[in-house]
Amino acid sequence: AQRVTQPEKLLSVFKGAPVELKCNYSYSGSPELFWYVQYSRQRLQLLLRHISRESIKGFTADLNKGETSFHLKKPFAQEEDSAMYYCALIMVELIWGLGTSLAVNP
Amino acid sequence: DAGVIQSPRHEVTEMGQEVTLRCKPISGHNSLFWYRQTMMRGLELLIYFNNNVPIDDSGMPEDRFSAKMPNASFSTLKIQPSEPRDSAVYFCASSLGDDKTQYFGPGTRLLVL
Repeated sequence: AQRVTQPEKLLSVFKGAPVELKCNYSYSGSPELFWYVQYSRQRLQLLLRHISRESIKGFTADLNKGETSFHLKKPFAQEEDSAMYYCALIMVELIWGLGTSLAVNP
Repeated sequence: DAGVIQSPRHEVTEMGQEVTLRCKPISGHNSLFWYRQTMMRGLELLIYFNNNVPIDDSGMPEDRFSAKMPNASFSTLKIQPSEPRDSAVYFCASSLGDDKTQYFGPGTRLLVL
């Protein structure tokens, strides 16, 4: 079965510290992966997708097929990064992880 | 473009009442998705349409839930009768063609008392 796992429900870091939000997937084909972000009581927004290889708001994510991972990283967390982050795998529809709530403390 | 539009933004109703949630996808998008978000279960896909045709409704919890897409610019999700356990945020999203990026609406926050 295709599945996306985000092992941490909550991640708390201090401002300026590095952040890594973990995402592992299980998929037998060639995966296409996304990170979405949801700020408090707002809509989900696309943060980045692996095929574009962009850096959005200082975040990057590299697809590691050997480890079947797509971890989201940022070298220096900011308070405004506090949000819910969802990793998703595209098939016909998106397969979603349960999300990780990131809290960046001052 | 105003993005995906959902109405109402908030809905409070009593158990047993009918609830209708509305969604207007981004103009030109041909796929539309309905999601439910709760603290316990996260984001769940309820149903999605492609070119106004329901493709996969396996996520619809039970017969009390129904969704329609009468044209390319409008979809409804109906709950009848509603129950307290239906309380959640319901999101609509749309996408275009082979670009699988989904664009989300602001959600409808439903509370069933």
